[in-house]
Amino acid sequence: RKEVEQDPGPFNVPEGATVAFNCTYSNSASQSFFWYRQDCRKEPKLLMSVYSSGNEDGRFTAQLNRASQYISLLIRDSKLSDSATYLCVVNENNFNKFYFGSGTKLNVKP
Amino acid sequence: EAQVTQNPRYLITVTGKKLTVTCSQNMNHEYMSWYRQDPGLGLRQIYYSMNVEVTDKGDVPEGYKVSRKEKRNFPLILESPSPNQTSLYFCATSGGRAGNYGYTFGSGTRLTVV
Repeated sequence: RKEVEQDPGPFNVPEGATVAFNCTYSNSASQSFFWYRQDCRKEPKLLMSVYSSGNEDGRFTAQLNRASQYISLLIRDSKLSDSATYLCVVNENNFNKFYFGSGTKLNVKP
Repeated sequence: EAQVTQNPRYLITVTGKKLTVTCSQNMNHEYMSWYRQDPGLGLRQIYYSMNVEVTDKGDVPEGYKVSRKEKRNFPLILESPSPNQTSLYFCATSGGRAGNYGYTFGSGTRLTVV
């Protein structure tokens, strides 16, 4: 069983749509959670950390549900430039031990 | 400008020919790590280093070596590359406890072993 699982997509949405991705993790002792964005053939870049109380950064909202062991990312008012693969990342007890999901591909169309 | 620099960006080599992928950072970060990315498998950690002369295995260390003689450099060594090491490789660094701050990645090295 994978440590972190994501729906690979692709999610094809029109500009202006709201889209949400979920990600589940297997280790209940996981400590830190992140969303990364990766453009085609480029390096992953940190989009946002995910805090227990949920957090927002502009059009992006991240939520954590420890009881059900999943995190989510909500993107409002999608832009063409949001087209990318979104990686869910979970950190376990060892502060240097990260597990990456395989990513969810988002295509925002005009 | 804060940077994580990997070289080369692209490399095609033959089975068994030793190679080194370099990674250098100018942010004085303590934590450095190597990942490989394969379709459907996501990013998997090869090795990591918490400081100079301190390295440890990640999830897929077989066939790889690393060294951390200076804080800024963390080369990845393939002593005898094989075709199953064809992959996209990323070096990553973090200035604090990586669990709190996440990583900054280099631009990647696309390796093909024939």
